[in-house]
Amino acid sequence: SQQGEEDPQALSIQEGENATMNCSYKTSINNLQWYRQNSGRGLVHLILIRSNEREKHSGRLRVTLDTSKKSSSLLITASRAADTASYFCATDDAGSARQLTFGSGTQLTVLP
Amino acid sequence: GAVVSQHPSWVICKSGTSVKIECRSLDFQATTMFWYRQFPKQSLMLMATSNEGSKATYEQGVEKDKFLINHASLTLSTLTVTSAHPEDSSFYICSEGDRGYGYTFGSGTRLTVV
Repeated sequence: SQQGEEDPQALSIQEGENATMNCSYKTSINNLQWYRQNSGRGLVHLILIRSNEREKHSGRLRVTLDTSKKSSSLLITASRAADTASYFCATDDAGSARQLTFGSGTQLTVLP
Repeated sequence: GAVVSQHPSWVICKSGTSVKIECRSLDFQATTMFWYRQFPKQSLMLMATSNEGSKATYEQGVEKDKFLINHASLTLSTLTVTSAHPEDSSFYICSEGDRGYGYTFGSGTRLTVV
């Protein structure tokens, strides 16, 4: 079953603006990961944040994690048209033998 | 980082035929690989975990006789969709990696059964 729910489902912004995507989950986690998927392609790992971390940066990406609210956000600053893609959060659920549980994804469109 | 090569990128087949999809780990010996299925505008659903030298582990609701997985070497896992039907049309993606560090995905295979 899909644990992660992402919000919004779709987001359209102008180039140069910031894009924020949110992910909520239900169980305790070991870590939360964000992936990007261009249309018709595989997924690309963007960033991983562990349950004991609150914020992590990678280039123009900033991820926050609030384990008390069971939520995470992905911020892309100074967006570019090339950032247009679907973004998925995925949780590594604590105490579970399962592999990652993927969220429903956010379709980001950055308009030039 | 790890590189996963998936082939073919797309395939069209007739109903009733079988299709094989290959997933190769190019620079990493992957004892475990994962197969996902993705319907349009939806998320990834794990189908099965492929284990080198042993039987695959299938997720609930996935027919093991329908989706045959073989992981005969540390660098190659294959998924065969047997007696394909139009409802099997989907995007299939393989991956390898570690839940604690992240996964590397293949580029995916678009299967269309006509």
